[in-house]
Amino acid sequence: SQTIHQWPATLVQPVGSPLSLECTVEGTSNPNLYWYRQAAGRGLQLLFYSVGIGQISSEVPQNLSASRPQDRQFILSSKKLLLSDSGFYLCAWSVPGTYEQYFGPGTRLTVT
Amino acid sequence: GQQVMQIPQYQHVQEGEDFTTYCNSSTTLSNIQWYKQRPGGHPVFLIQLVKSGEVKKQKRLTFQFGEAKKNSSLHITATQTTDVGTYFCAGPTGYALNFGKGTSLLVTP
Repeated sequence: SQTIHQWPATLVQPVGSPLSLECTVEGTSNPNLYWYRQAAGRGLQLLFYSVGIGQISSEVPQNLSASRPQDRQFILSSKKLLLSDSGFYLCAWSVPGTYEQYFGPGTRLTVT
Repeated sequence: GQQVMQIPQYQHVQEGEDFTTYCNSSTTLSNIQWYKQRPGGHPVFLIQLVKSGEVKKQKRLTFQFGEAKKNSSLHITATQTTDVGTYFCAGPTGYALNFGKGTSLLVTP
């Protein structure tokens, strides 16, 4: 069966520090991968998605970047965090050609 | 671009009462999906509707896709405290999904 991992579960970082969040999927090949951010009590904002290794589509201009160095690995990064980067970051995957998405447990980021 | 809107934003019911959330898209959808997010948790896929006028049931949950494939609803019969959470609808856009802002359901015993 397929599983999706995200780490860390929680993170507190000072303003101006770098960020690296990792997401890995097991049990499937060539998944579509997604990064979302959810502000407290709010909806899901799609940040990036990828349909293959090295391919990244950005949905909104921001202080973040994403990379997909391996088929089942998706990384979200920032060189310098802003207070507004705080939120709940969710990684998700789907089977190519389908739309059902399966979410990881998420990372709660607080920028202080 | 495509917009997906949900109403109401919040709903507070007594346990045993029914609950309905509505989803409307600005464009015709090839399919629509529903997800549930428990407090502190991550969204979990519930169901996908594809056909015009389709109705699907999962125990006390009834999902409906409109005839014009631009709206959908989720109805919960006789809510329980385990139904607490935020319910999102989502429509496809390219390779991704466009999520509504969700309806947060609170159930008091």
